[in-house]
Amino acid sequence: GENVEQHPSTLSVQEGDSAVIKCTYSDSASNYFPWYKQELGKRPQLIIDIRSNVGEKKDQRIAVTLNKTAKHFSLHITETQPEDSAVYFCAEGANSKLTFGKGITLSVRP
Amino acid sequence: KAGVTQTPRYLIKTRGQQVTLSCSPISGHRSVSWYQQTPGQGLQFLFEYFSETQRNKGNFPGRFSGRQFSNSRSEMNVSTLELGDSALYLCASSLRVAYNEQFFGPGTRLTVL
Repeated sequence: GENVEQHPSTLSVQEGDSAVIKCTYSDSASNYFPWYKQELGKRPQLIIDIRSNVGEKKDQRIAVTLNKTAKHFSLHITETQPEDSAVYFCAEGANSKLTFGKGITLSVRP
Repeated sequence: KAGVTQTPRYLIKTRGQQVTLSCSPISGHRSVSWYQQTPGQGLQFLFEYFSETQRNKGNFPGRFSGRQFSNSRSEMNVSTLELGDSALYLCASSLRVAYNEQFFGPGTRLTVL
C-alpha cells in the first residue's frame, strides 16, 4: 500500500540558514507530490507541488526536487525566516487520493 | 470566492454516540476529501467524493461513512464513537481530482468523552 515517510521529524535552524526536508514514498503509480504548510491552529495550505514529469520546481525561497528512480522528493527553503516555523507535510498523489506523511516541525531560531 | 467551510467547528460527544460533520467546498469544486488529524499521525485519508460518488476510501472501520450531495457539499458520519476518534477532522476540496491542489477547511475538532 501507499506509504510516505518524512525525515527528520523535527528540524531547528538559525534564521537565514537553509532547511531541507526529505520524503520517501512507495507507490510507483504516484505522479503528484505536494507540500503543505500548517501553522499552529491553522489549516494546511499548499506551498509548492511538483508532477512526475518534472525534476525540480522553484518559487522564490522554496524549491522542490523529485527523484522518481529513488522514490524520494525534498523541500528546500533558503534564507529561512521565523515565519517559516510550522509543520510541513509532504504527500503523494495516486489513484485519486493523496497520502500524507506524518509531518515535520520546523523551528527557525531568530 | 469563499473558502472551504466546515460545521460545526467544535463538538463534544460521549462514547457510543454518533456524529455528523458537514463540509461546503469552494464553489465549482467537485471533489471533496476527508482527513483525520491527530498528534503524531499527521493527516490520515478517510475518503474522497466526486460527483456524489465515493472514489476512494482509506483504512478506517465501517463506523466512518460519508456522502456527497448534488451541490458538492459533503457530510461524514461516525457512529458508535470511541475515545480514539477524538481528532481534528479536515475536509479539502479540489477542482476535479484529489491530486489537483486541495484547499482545506478549518476543521471540526471532535472530542469524545
